[in-house]
Amino acid sequence: SQQGEEDPQALSIQEGENATMNCSYKTSINNLQWYRQNSGRGLVHLILIRSNEREKHSGRLRVTLDTSKKSSSLLITASRAADTASYFCATSNYGQNFVFGPGTRLSVLP
Amino acid sequence: DSGVTQTPKHLITATGQRVTLRCSPRSGDLSVYWYQQSLDQGLQFLIQYYNGEERAKGNILERFSAQQFPDLHSELNLSSLELGDSALYFCASTLGDHPLNTEAFFGQGTRLTVV
Repeated sequence: SQQGEEDPQALSIQEGENATMNCSYKTSINNLQWYRQNSGRGLVHLILIRSNEREKHSGRLRVTLDTSKKSSSLLITASRAADTASYFCATSNYGQNFVFGPGTRLSVLP
Repeated sequence: DSGVTQTPKHLITATGQRVTLRCSPRSGDLSVYWYQQSLDQGLQFLIQYYNGEERAKGNILERFSAQQFPDLHSELNLSSLELGDSALYFCASTLGDHPLNTEAFFGQGTRLTVV
């Protein structure tokens, strides 16, 4: 299985602080994506990073990918209460479908 | 709004019953994916259809089945329901037949409660 594993399982920070979540996976991938899920709602795509990319930015989000370590990190800068959600990494490769990790639950306290 | 529509939003039914969950993909998307999300199992891939044909199968029980119709909407049928089938069921869609280099768009889910 190439399931991603997010770390930590839960994270609690103050508004304005940065939040960093990590994802590790087991086999080679073609791309890695991060999704956000607000409580009990559908997943929303945040960012996609391809295996030949090392870093990608989108607004307050910064994603890195280290294929040698089979890991990725998601950094949310200047967090807001609205960032409170669960964050999932999803990996995919030829012949494989999306495989999601168990997620990191982020709580941003006002 | 992702453009993916799932109905119903909530469903409560008894053990042993059968239910049908419906998904309309985003306009133009040919692939539909079904996922089950429960507290202890996380987000589990069930099955994928592309343009009416089954493309990939995940951890789908034999009691569950799905199909994609010519208008590209999909239905997930769950039968002989057990308490453990209580979960959120999500549908997602993509344009192509593989989520290789594209994002997936998720519906808001159907919350199934089996009592």
